[in-house]
Amino acid sequence: DTAVSQTPKYLVTQMGNDKSIKCEQNLGHDTMYWYKQDSKKFLKIMFSYNNKELIINETVPNRFSPKSPDKAHLNLHINSLELGDSAVYFCASSQVGGGGAGTQYFGPGTRLTVL
Amino acid sequence: QKEVEQNSGPLSVPEGAIASLNCTYSDRGSQSFFWYRQYSGKSPELIMSIYSNGDKEDGRFTAQLNKASQYVSLLIRDSQPSDSATYLCAVMGYSGAGSYQLTFGKGTKLSVIP
Repeated sequence: DTAVSQTPKYLVTQMGNDKSIKCEQNLGHDTMYWYKQDSKKFLKIMFSYNNKELIINETVPNRFSPKSPDKAHLNLHINSLELGDSAVYFCASSQVGGGGAGTQYFGPGTRLTVL
Repeated sequence: QKEVEQNSGPLSVPEGAIASLNCTYSDRGSQSFFWYRQYSGKSPELIMSIYSNGDKEDGRFTAQLNKASQYVSLLIRDSQPSDSATYLCAVMGYSGAGSYQLTFGKGTKLSVIP
């Protein structure tokens, strides 16, 4: 009964490959997010989806493409992986409403290592 | 550019002492404030949220908010070795087009010495 789950937990791949990370939440939230945490532990928003619509797209390379088939799932596809993409990627979800955004709950993270 | 500043630490306190963690933010329109705890290799875990000026207590944790000074703090009383972790301050602000964005500080690493 995990609230926010991600697969895979670890991902090791070569430069230039394409990979995907999947995220699912069973909290009934309407907004999902992708964050990147770099080696210095700085957590930065990448994307946000509200009811399957992209509402935040921070300055990330267009090699990163989020896809939300429904409001419980938000996947992240990365093309042409580079060394600098190595990081931990966290999915999160929240319920937005009433003029503000609710608490965000995080998945366990996916540690991506690009060789 | 919305910014959230925290001392990176490490902050070392003896077991049983009070740990005080501080955070300042740049966006005066920020509405919600959160403290997350992150153990090494784990995901951020919410420990406190605060929305209005003043203090909010939950067990050994007290969050303090001063919107005029754009300052948020977290006090941990009777610190335990299990409190050793990185504490992330996060500030929610409106980012336009009906969306809200959570901006994180870089975190303060707390070490509680037995």
